[in-house]
Amino acid sequence: GEDVEQSLFLSVREGDSSVINCTYTDSSSTYLYWYKQEPGAGLQLLTYIFSNMDMKQDQRLTVLLNKKDKHLSLRIADTQTGDSAIYFCAVIRVGYQKVTFGIGTKLQVIP
Amino acid sequence: ETGVTQTPRHLVMGMTNKKSLKCEQHLGHNAMYWYKQSAKKPLELMFVYSLEERVENNSVPSRFSPECPNSSHLFLHLHTLQPEDSALYLCASSQRGQGAGELFFGEGSRLTVL
Repeated sequence: GEDVEQSLFLSVREGDSSVINCTYTDSSSTYLYWYKQEPGAGLQLLTYIFSNMDMKQDQRLTVLLNKKDKHLSLRIADTQTGDSAIYFCAVIRVGYQKVTFGIGTKLQVIP
Repeated sequence: ETGVTQTPRHLVMGMTNKKSLKCEQHLGHNAMYWYKQSAKKPLELMFVYSLEERVENNSVPSRFSPECPNSSHLFLHLHTLQPEDSALYLCASSQRGQGAGELFFGEGSRLTVL
């Protein structure tokens, strides 16, 4: 079945850029998402990219997709303490029922 | 109310109790989901209701029983649970067949089984 992998933890200093990485196995993945989960809350959709795109930028967020390597990344510019959360990578193949999530990367922002 | 709301936010129950989790979505979506979130594990899809069709993960024990009376409401009935069932249970909804099909999550129900 589909597998999505992420590292568990990332620590950055406030003001620096954060890069959270994700790899997936299903080359037919159609949409790739990034979700954010703050403590005690549900998952919030941050952004997504369609598989025919290489990059998507939305304010401080930049998503890069390397389809050849099946690698997705989320870059957060000028990281703030409010960005501290768990970030989930997720993928779906249109026509299939299931969204597959990674285990989540915990981002710690040091003031 | 907007989005996806879940009640209760926190629940403590004994192994012999029967309780239910409730989810309501105000987004006009046509699919609803239950996910289980345990520490250091990927999100586990438990059940999907989509266009009146129920799809379930065959590994979910029968002590979890979903109910979807209409497209806006979803329940998860719990009975004779085990301590390892303690987790955050997340409800989500989506609009199947349109756009990116992204999931919208509720805040979750934190379940502790004693």
